[in-house]
Amino acid sequence: RKEVEQDPGPFNVPEGATVAFNCTYSNSASQSFFWYRQDCRKEPKLLMSVYSSGNEDGRFTAQLNRASQYISLLIRDSKLSDSATYLCVVLRGGNQAGTALIFGKGTTLSVSS
Amino acid sequence: EPEVTQTPSHQVTQMGQEVILRCVPISNHLYFYWYRQILGQKVEFLVSFYNNEISEKSEIFDDQFSVERPDGSNFTLKIRSTKLEDSAMYFCASSTPGQTPMKQFFGPGTRLTVL
Repeated sequence: RKEVEQDPGPFNVPEGATVAFNCTYSNSASQSFFWYRQDCRKEPKLLMSVYSSGNEDGRFTAQLNRASQYISLLIRDSKLSDSATYLCVVLRGGNQAGTALIFGKGTTLSVSS
Repeated sequence: EPEVTQTPSHQVTQMGQEVILRCVPISNHLYFYWYRQILGQKVEFLVSFYNNEISEKSEIFDDQFSVERPDGSNFTLKIRSTKLEDSAMYFCASSTPGQTPMKQFFGPGTRLTVL
């Protein structure tokens, strides 16, 4: 089983749509989870951390289900500027500094007018 | 807002040559990382570095690779004898302790092309 697995998409949606991405991870010892956004040929940029209680940042909502080892990202009211690749990222092991981030391959979102 | 910077943005080299990729982490960060992304593939961890020592390295980070913090601001990745398969985007990242969860911030990357 891959360490972090995502549906690659692409997801093609109109402006204003709601879209959800899912991700599973294999290491049950992982404690920290993130969604990063990557534009074409650019660096990954931290979008948000993911907490068990669920967390929201504007139009973005992230959820973690530890029992199922499942992470989700919901984007409401999609904008053209949301078009990017969304990377599900897991910190390997505990929350120690210097620990590797494990990336999924990413899910591509294309928002059209 | 402070950010990680990397130079050069693009490096072209011949197979077998040595390259040094440079990074300036965020100034109060203490942990430094190198990742790479081969075109069309996922971002992969190479190495982490703290207090002038390697904290963790992946199996990709073999004897051809080395890292150094030559002064108080720069963090470098050296590839001793480049191979065609080293062609990739190399990202530097940094983080600071005391955060929960630990967040890593990435530089814009160096595109390495090995001919």
